[in-house]
Amino acid sequence: DAKTTQPPSMDCAEGRAANLPCNHSTISGNEYVYWYRQIHSQGPQYIIHGLKNNETNEMASLIITEDRKSSTLILPHATLRDTAVYYCIVRVSGGTASKLTFGTGTRLQVTL
Amino acid sequence: DTAVSQTPKYLVTQMGNDKSIKCEQNLGHDTMYWYKQDSKKFLKIMFSYNNKELIINETVPNRFSPKSPDKAHLNLHINSLELGDSAVYFCASSQGTPAAFFGQGTRLTVV
Repeated sequence: DAKTTQPPSMDCAEGRAANLPCNHSTISGNEYVYWYRQIHSQGPQYIIHGLKNNETNEMASLIITEDRKSSTLILPHATLRDTAVYYCIVRVSGGTASKLTFGTGTRLQVTL
Repeated sequence: DTAVSQTPKYLVTQMGNDKSIKCEQNLGHDTMYWYKQDSKKFLKIMFSYNNKELIINETVPNRFSPKSPDKAHLNLHINSLELGDSAVYFCASSQGTPAAFFGQGTRLTVV
């Protein structure tokens, strides 16, 4: 699975958009970009994933550059409850050996 | 109903003891996992089962033995517990993709 690079921490004011970047310059053509988050003391929570098109769901939007070497997770209106560690993971989708390789993630702190 | 549930939530035990952590999922998924999160917050996969068959074993000591009685359950049994086994253990399940659903974790403390 391709390696990802994320900033260790970010701050965001409540109500503003939080834009979390991820670099995955070695991504291959059949690898998807997945985002998870882990709120303190809880299990990781799936947010969104995509291959090359931008994706949006009720939680967030995922913007993937045309060359697929980087992506940005956007939380459009961050709240205090969005304070968490956000993990960007790149891997092939499908199959039975579908392990997730977590990096160190980005610790997002949402403040008043 | 909780999708992936683990018991117990907290477990404190002495070195050398044997303990089990149970996991159940009601999502109808075929694949279940055990992950370990250590004190530095690194989250690593330990095992994966698909339809009760072991498919991933990430060089975990053989003191750790997963058991899957059916595809909705994946229990983790640990023999001869050591101080270094102290961690939070997460169970997860998925169906066809790595968009896994995680349990709330079991915090194991070995004293």
